[in-house]
Amino acid sequence: AQSVTQLGSHVSVSEGALVLLRCNYSSSVPPYLFWYVQYPNQGLQLLLKYTSAATLVKGINGFEAEFKKSETSFHLTKPSAHMSDAAEYFCAVTSSTGGGNKLTFGTGTQLKVEL
Amino acid sequence: DAGITQSPRHKVTETGTPVTLRCHQTENHRYMYWYRQDPGHGLRLIHYSYGVKDTDKGEVSDGYSVSRSKTEDFLLTLESATSSQTSVYFCAIMGTGSSREQYFGPGTRLTVT
Repeated sequence: AQSVTQLGSHVSVSEGALVLLRCNYSSSVPPYLFWYVQYPNQGLQLLLKYTSAATLVKGINGFEAEFKKSETSFHLTKPSAHMSDAAEYFCAVTSSTGGGNKLTFGTGTQLKVEL
Repeated sequence: DAGITQSPRHKVTETGTPVTLRCHQTENHRYMYWYRQDPGHGLRLIHYSYGVKDTDKGEVSDGYSVSRSKTEDFLLTLESATSSQTSVYFCAIMGTGSSREQYFGPGTRLTVT
């Protein structure tokens, strides 16, 4: 079984400030982890992925995430927020060892960027 | 762009009527998925397919059926729509790399009145 917990359904930051979106996972086998972004009235776009190579992964739009096995975390960060980062962000997990490649999503974090 | 289209993009229907949503992909991906998105729940898997005529249930499959008669099309059917099935429905495919990422279509907004 696998699950994802995203702490904070809404996060607000000032433009230029650090963005930190939290994700903790549970998985009985080594996981693959993903962050997706969703802009209003659009589908989900892949931001970045962890697949057991480097623990610090870089994605699009200046985002990065660090896999910490001891903390079962995969938090998303960006050094300096931009107005265009305002969107909903989803963390997701799947098993690296089969099971239909099913993704389990967190409930999402809405990021608001203020001037 | 993973070449995924969904139709219709918007639909309003009445309780008790059958509804079919279509997902079409152009790149011969083996795995296809149907999710629903609801506030406070994120995305939840309804059904998925791992090949032509090969499908399996997801987390929230009650009230839904699927069919895949050819690689490019994956249909989701609500046999008798209920108000609880008002949602946004997303289709996804799994990429061809080893990292198992999924790519999503633009979604279908379904309202059941």
